[in-house]
Amino acid sequence: NAGVTQTPKFRILKIGQSMTLQCAQDMNHNYMYWYRQDPGMGLKLIYYSVGAGITDKGEVPNGYNVSRSTTEDFPLRLELAAPSQTSVYFCASSHLQGVSGNTIYFGEGSWLTVV
Amino acid sequence: KNQVEQSPQSLIILEGKNCTLQCNYTVSPFSNLRWYKQDTGRGPVSLTIMTFSENTKSNGRYTATLDADTKQSSLHITASQLSDSASYICVVRDSNYQLIWGAGTKLIIKP
Repeated sequence: NAGVTQTPKFRILKIGQSMTLQCAQDMNHNYMYWYRQDPGMGLKLIYYSVGAGITDKGEVPNGYNVSRSTTEDFPLRLELAAPSQTSVYFCASSHLQGVSGNTIYFGEGSWLTVV
Repeated sequence: KNQVEQSPQSLIILEGKNCTLQCNYTVSPFSNLRWYKQDTGRGPVSLTIMTFSENTKSNGRYTATLDADTKQSSLHITASQLSDSASYICVVRDSNYQLIWGAGTKLIIKP
């Protein structure tokens, strides 16, 4: 019953460093997402993927990159970390993006601080 | 601009009491509305999903209502428990399948 697994849970980065947040799901979902959540704000979509080999920008993609080489994995890459990227990052997945609305399952979150 | 506004921002109630959280949205046309529960330090968990044709949907002690005409939704929690302490987030999906997230209502249940 793993669901959506993301690592690491916590990370402190120095300005200018790079890192990758890992995300994996074992539900054979087509759709995967990366969100960031800042204090007092709604979740903002960074990138999403509708299937292996396909990725698309969300609302706030600048400073990030993603890849989707397999159905299961959707890593998020931060290049040249900036203090503005200090946030909580959530990976999520869903089976289909149907009109009726399929449930989106979230990982436990990754707390990232850039100093 | 598509927006989702939630009220109150935070709420404190005593264990066993009922409460109602509000969600107003300007998303149009909209596809569906969701309520999520997010425990501190955890990812959001889906409570309900409602399409425009549904007025009420229940999930245990949680009951969501939707008025698509006035673009309002509410989440009613009955007989609150300490485990209900969390943030409750309203999310609206537009016709382009984009999700617009509210900032959430932080609910604290006191014994």
